[in-house]
Amino acid sequence: NAGVMQNPRHLVRRRGQEARLRCSPMKGHSHVYWYRQLPEEGLKFMVYLQKENIIDESGMPKERFSAEFPKEGPSILRIQQVVRGDSAAYFCASSPTLGQGLQQYFGPGTRLTVT
Amino acid sequence: QQQVKQSPQSLIVQKGGISIINCAYENTAFDYFPWYQQFPGKGPALLIAIRPDVSEKKEGRFTISFNKSAKQFSLHIMDSQPGDSATYFCAASSSGNTPLVFGKGTRLSVIA
Repeated sequence: NAGVMQNPRHLVRRRGQEARLRCSPMKGHSHVYWYRQLPEEGLKFMVYLQKENIIDESGMPKERFSAEFPKEGPSILRIQQVVRGDSAAYFCASSPTLGQGLQQYFGPGTRLTVT
Repeated sequence: QQQVKQSPQSLIVQKGGISIINCAYENTAFDYFPWYQQFPGKGPALLIAIRPDVSEKKEGRFTISFNKSAKQFSLHIMDSQPGDSATYFCAASSSGNTPLVFGKGTRLSVIA
């Protein structure tokens, strides 16, 4: 059973470009969370999605950031017009069933560098 | 406002010693407390977790101690090994539609 998959693992973008980060949850998992980790910091929640629904986006900046989890395919975190402050590691996690252990399994992350 | 406070920020332990990392939380609605281990360049890996209905949980060399009245919980790593050198994060969440709230992490170095 493959774990959570994220791609790309490393992404370099110039200021003003768009970044698209992809996350495929573990098989059988229908809940996806995105977190951001700045250097020497803990992980900060951004958004929680189920298939075709955004459940909680309270941690996501109101502008330039969006997320989706379509019926088919991976979850995508999209950052438009990137700025240097967006440079960070972005992790997604998946969980099987709401309220059942609440265990979240993390992917290897995408390290975004904005030049 | 940081809801989960973790200490120490860094820790150096001799091989074979006990590593202790502490966390304190504020939100009394939290009822799930996992610990994650993260190696450089990797994603966090779930290590062990506890719910408030027990005061201690042990899995191999890893033990969580939980004090509900003090709103504190800690990770003990017995017989620490160089391979345990990593960053450890405590986290908390509540039942239902809530994400994990993480501490800032503890960088553990186990030296021979």
